[in-house]
Amino acid sequence: QSALTQPASVSGSPGQSITISCTGTSNDIGSYNYVSWYQQHPDKAPKLLIFDVSSRPSGVSHRFSGSKSGNTASLTVSGLQAEDEANYHCVSYTSITLPVLFGGGTTLTVL
Amino acid sequence: VQLVQSGAELKKPGESLRISCRASGYIFPSYWITWVRQMPGKGLEWMGSIDPSDSYAIYSPSFQGHVTISTDRSTNTAYLQWTSLRTSDSGIFYCARADGNSFDPWGQGTLVTVSP
Repeated sequence: QSALTQPASVSGSPGQSITISCTGTSNDIGSYNYVSWYQQHPDKAPKLLIFDVSSRPSGVSHRFSGSKSGNTASLTVSGLQAEDEANYHCVSYTSITLPVLFGGGTTLTVL
Repeated sequence: VQLVQSGAELKKPGESLRISCRASGYIFPSYWITWVRQMPGKGLEWMGSIDPSDSYAIYSPSFQGHVTISTDRSTNTAYLQWTSLRTSDSGIFYCARADGNSFDPWGQGTLVTVSP
């Protein structure tokens, strides 16, 4: 099964908003509300930002939000800050026999 | 809640290796542990997951038969093991606690380098 499709890179200026897409199929994103997003700074472990499409763990900034439409999930980062510069990964549940599918990752550059 | 992984490893092709992930701050058998690979400059790949309550493990087809995931409930530790390493096994390996259908927290990662 192919990985979920993310843009390789996105960029924005401080204060702006950006959206990162994560496209799957009707077998994964389209069928389940189990999309999560992770932020990974260079040489660091990933950190959970969003789970179950749009829920935020405690401690995660309200500037991060998630949504889904059809087979595509999205992560929006509003009020961009320099510290948001990182790689972002999406994950979806797919099936009981192959439960986890990652996206290829997106590099966010804050100009 | 914390996952602490073992240190970096330098191995030769054909050698065996077991890396570890020690959990603390929660009831270990209550949450699955997942292993994820990240090759240099690349994205994350799911390798497999294990239920520490009964050691039932499920693997990605890409890794099935090449790695073994196990746990030791007496030490709250999960393991990722290879019996015969290949140079293509080099990468950073993360363990993560599966909380529902997401992963939190993650271990700090273990760098594995396989070189002749």
